[in-house]
Amino acid sequence: DQQVKQNSPSLSVQEGRISILNCDYTNSMFDYFLWYKKYPAEGPTFLISISSIKDKNEDGRFTVFLNKSAKHLSLHIVPSQPGDSAVYFCAATGSGNTGKLIFGQGTTLQVKP
Amino acid sequence: DGGITQSPKYLFRKEGQNVTLSCEQNLNHDAMYWYRQDPGQGLRLIYYSQIVNDFQKGDIAEGYSVSREKKESFPLTVTSAQKNPTAFYLCASSITGNYNEQFFGPGTRLTVL
Repeated sequence: DQQVKQNSPSLSVQEGRISILNCDYTNSMFDYFLWYKKYPAEGPTFLISISSIKDKNEDGRFTVFLNKSAKHLSLHIVPSQPGDSAVYFCAATGSGNTGKLIFGQGTTLQVKP
Repeated sequence: DGGITQSPKYLFRKEGQNVTLSCEQNLNHDAMYWYRQDPGQGLRLIYYSQIVNDFQKGDIAEGYSVSREKKESFPLTVTSAQKNPTAFYLCASSITGNYNEQFFGPGTRLTVL
C-alpha cells in the first residue's frame, strides 16, 4: 500500500523554465511533508518542507504547495537550472509516525541547457 | 564538521555471507534510520532507533539486524536470510520527534555475487 505516490517517474524541462514535481498521499494523518533531492550514488539532501497548517512555503527558487483536500503537494522550481537535475523524493510524516518518514518513488528531473 | 559517514562506499560479498554496513554520526542525534533504495523505488525503511539500546523494525526488516550500543553508531547487518540483498543502503539521523528532517549519509552500494 503506497501511502505516498509520485506518479511521474521523470520530467524534462528547459533551463530557465518552471519545473513542477507532483506528489499525492493517501493517509489523512500525515501533517508534515518534505522534499529531498538526490544525486546518483549519494545520499538525499533536504530541500524544503511544509506543515499542514500552511498551503505554501517558499525558499528561494523552490516553493512547495499543499492542497490538503486533494491530498496533493507540488514542488515548483523557478527558474530551473541544469544543476537541479536529480531525483526528487517527497516524504510525509505525522504525529503517529514516531519520526518515520514515508517516501514516494521519486521523480527524475532533467534540466536541459 | 558534523555529518554522517557510511563505510565502505562499495561492498562486494559472496552469496550466503553476512555483511555489516557501518553508520556513524557526530550530529548528537538520538534517532537513526536505515533505508534501502532499489531502482525505480523510493526509500524503504529497514530499521530505526530512537534511543540507545532500543530499535524497531521498519517495513522491510526481514533478513536484516541492527544494534545501537552507542548514540553515534547504528550498524546494519545484512544476513544470508535476506533474499535480495543487492541494493543501495542509506543511513540517516535526526533529532527525536515527529517533525524533523532526517540527514542522510552518502550510502553504501552492496553487491552480492
